[in-house]
Amino acid sequence: AQTVTQSQPEMSVQEAETVTLSCTYDTSESDYYLFWYKQPPSRQMILVIRQEAYKQQNATENRFSVNFQKAAKSFSLKISDSQLGDAAMYFCAYFGGKLVFGAGTILRVKS
Amino acid sequence: DADVTQTPRNRITKTGKRIMLECSQTKGHDRMYWYRQDPGLGLRLIYYSFDVKDINKGEISDGYSVSRQAQAKFSLSLESAIPNQTALYFCATSDLQGTDTQYFGPGTRLTVL
Repeated sequence: AQTVTQSQPEMSVQEAETVTLSCTYDTSESDYYLFWYKQPPSRQMILVIRQEAYKQQNATENRFSVNFQKAAKSFSLKISDSQLGDAAMYFCAYFGGKLVFGAGTILRVKS
Repeated sequence: DADVTQTPRNRITKTGKRIMLECSQTKGHDRMYWYRQDPGLGLRLIYYSFDVKDINKGEISDGYSVSRQAQAKFSLSLESAIPNQTALYFCATSDLQGTDTQYFGPGTRLTVL
């Protein structure tokens, strides 16, 4: 079964600085999708960014970008110019037929 | 208006009671899902449905049942609630022909006393 591991239970970043959240996954498949979801205190699950495994180019969405290393099965999220509104729980997820989530990383943003 | 809605948003009930959580969507998606979120465990799949006549068990289906009343509606039932079913429950949808991206409802906080 596929598994997703987020090794950082909690991270902190200073406002305007850059932070990277780590995610590794285990799969024997070659075709799949990877996602980062954000869950603010409102508890709504918000899609941050999506990556197709067949694409070598790393996905970017404004201040959010990923470092996708397929051979290493690594999918980290970089948040640039961090803002107070980025404070949330971030979940990494793998989709290869079903969506499998990591345990999450709490991101705190300091002003 | 939200594309995926869940009712109720919060519910407190007692052990042994039957509870139904409802999900509706206006996205026109074929696929619908129910997840449970527990602290430190992320979200885990309970049931999913690819169309009205299709129901599939997920990772943690014991103690739960579902009904797909229409393309837009997918309900989750706890026939006899127990305290370890206290959790945050999410409904999600995705497009059969789409990008496999799932869109989530606002969640239902369920407490079983």
